[in-house]
Amino acid sequence: AQSVTQLDSHVSVSEGTPVLLRCNYSSSYSPSLFWYVQHPNKGLQLLLKYTSAATLVKGINGFEAEFKKSETSFHLTKPSAHMSDAAEYFCVLYNTDKLIFGTGTRLQVFP
Amino acid sequence: DGGITQSPKYLFRKEGQNVTLSCEQNLNHDAMYWYRQDPGQGLRLIYYSQIVNDFQKGDIAEGYSVSREKKESFPLTVTSAQKNPTAFYLCASSISSYEQYFGPGTRLTVT
Repeated sequence: AQSVTQLDSHVSVSEGTPVLLRCNYSSSYSPSLFWYVQHPNKGLQLLLKYTSAATLVKGINGFEAEFKKSETSFHLTKPSAHMSDAAEYFCVLYNTDKLIFGTGTRLQVFP
Repeated sequence: DGGITQSPKYLFRKEGQNVTLSCEQNLNHDAMYWYRQDPGQGLRLIYYSQIVNDFQKGDIAEGYSVSREKKESFPLTVTSAQKNPTAFYLCASSISSYEQYFGPGTRLTVT
């Protein structure tokens, strides 16, 4: 079965420190994976996508994610958090003609 | 200015009433989707349509109905049969189902 697990429901960091949001996936074939961000009461915006090309994927706003097949992981990172990064982040797996969403990680950034 | 619009942003209804949520896109995308978002549950697919005059049930279609008479429009009706309709509803569109673009959402409250 295809699924996505986000390992943390909440992550808190101080401004200027690194961000790590963790995602594991389960897929019986080579997956396509995405990270989306959602600010409060807004729609979702695509941050980055992995489509079986380079395993290190760079996205918008300084975010990047590394696809690790041996660990079935697709963790999202950013070297230095900014206050504007506070939002909810979703790890998403493409399956046939649908997207499968993780339950989300809420990122809080303290000044 | 291309994009997806959803209206209204906030909607209030009495229990037992049907209500229709609007979704319009001018991106010339073939596929459109409706998701429901509840706290801590990520996004769940209600209905999707890959072409005009055709649509398929998603994972939680009970109590909902849709139509796709025009390429740019995909309205969702929340019927009185939906047992727990209060939620945040998101519409999306895509050229293929692979990368989806989301509208700003409608928050429906039923009392």
